[in-house]
Amino acid sequence: DTGVSQNPRHKITKRGQNVTFRCDPISEHNRLYWYRQTLGQGPEFLTYFQNEAQLEKSRLLSDRFSAERPKGSFSTLEIQRTEQGDSAMYLCASSETTGITYNEQFFGPGTRLTVL
Amino acid sequence: AQRVTQPEKLLSVFKGAPVELKCNYSYSGSPELFWYVQYSRQRLQLLLRHISRESIKGFTADLNKGETSFHLKKPFAQEEDSAMYYCALSGERGSNYKLTFGKGTLLTVNP
Repeated sequence: DTGVSQNPRHKITKRGQNVTFRCDPISEHNRLYWYRQTLGQGPEFLTYFQNEAQLEKSRLLSDRFSAERPKGSFSTLEIQRTEQGDSAMYLCASSETTGITYNEQFFGPGTRLTVL
Repeated sequence: AQRVTQPEKLLSVFKGAPVELKCNYSYSGSPELFWYVQYSRQRLQLLLRHISRESIKGFTADLNKGETSFHLKKPFAQEEDSAMYYCALSGERGSNYKLTFGKGTLLTVNP
């Protein structure tokens, strides 16, 4: 297990097309997060899962965005009818859930989306 | 609403000089504060968290609730400290989920 992995690493698409990204978390981690990072900004929270349940979605996640984690393992993030404003780095992170102490979020390398 | 402000986009120092990366936050409760670092061509990783009160790679950060600050300090910067640094906040202990990041500070340590 080499950490959180994300595929693809880069995606170039035309405006209006649909794209799907995949995140494979660290195997024993039951929490999975998606963040988006645009140029000059820090990562911004999109959504998170505990096991297969999606527990929170940000206002940033418009109707064109959907995320799933069907068996509580890998997750997919789909963007429908992409717009140029969707161009960003999409980051996935995972963590354990143990008690009430903070559980470090481990980040993947990200998927860079460019919408032409 | 929770917010993290890093006033400096760029910070350049010489090797051996002290460095301080500023972070201020806005949160109504008792947040958890963190510093994340991203070295060139590497993924984002946790540097340190306020609850552990530890020094990592010579860096320390003290949570000042009165000034709502969590500045990152190192007395003698090294070239390998050059990286992007993000201050981040999470909700009360136990909520334990989403992170709110600042915009980041790019630290360059010159030889």
